[in-house]
Amino acid sequence: EDQVTQSPEALRLQEGESSSLNCSYTVSGLRGLFWYRQDPGKGPEFLFTLYSAGEEKEKERLKATLTKKESFLHITAPKPEDSATYLCAVQASGNTPLVFGKGTRLSVIA
Amino acid sequence: DAGVIQSPRHEVTEMGQEVTLRCKPISGHNSLFWYRQTMMRGLELLIYFNNNVPIDDSGMPEDRFSAKMPNASFSTLKIQPSEPRDSAVYFCASSLDSPEQFFGPGTRLTVL
Repeated sequence: EDQVTQSPEALRLQEGESSSLNCSYTVSGLRGLFWYRQDPGKGPEFLFTLYSAGEEKEKERLKATLTKKESFLHITAPKPEDSATYLCAVQASGNTPLVFGKGTRLSVIA
Repeated sequence: DAGVIQSPRHEVTEMGQEVTLRCKPISGHNSLFWYRQTMMRGLELLIYFNNNVPIDDSGMPEDRFSAKMPNASFSTLKIQPSEPRDSAVYFCASSLDSPEQFFGPGTRLTVL
């Protein structure tokens, strides 16, 4: 069974304090790994897709990386507006639906 | 682009009542997904459609749940009868020949 585990469940950072969120996965043949951001009261918003180990994607203060067993979402010099829940999802080979982790709730304090 | 539209945004009902949630996907998208999100279980896929045809409904918790997609621009998720444990946020998402999904704002369901 495909599984996604995210850690930590919650993370509190001071503004400017860089850190990383972890997404560990077990999947029968990875087709893609996805990061989403979810603000309170809203639906998840797509951030990145990673397809193969060693791949990296960047967007503003966020950088996502991928290995054969896990992905990291690095947040550099975060700002309060980066506060949100970050969700990781995987898609197994074929055309199977996404399997989501429970997310990491990030709070950035000014 | 209007994005995925869901209605109602909030629904409060009593146990035993029928609940119907509605979704309008992004125009031109050919896949539609229904999810349920709770603190305990996170985001769970209930059912998804491709070209209006249900492909996988293994996530539907029980026979009280049903979903339809009569055309490419509309889908419903119905719960009959509703129970307190059905309280959650229900999301609809759509995509076009890609695993990257676009989510609606969700419907927060409370069953008393």
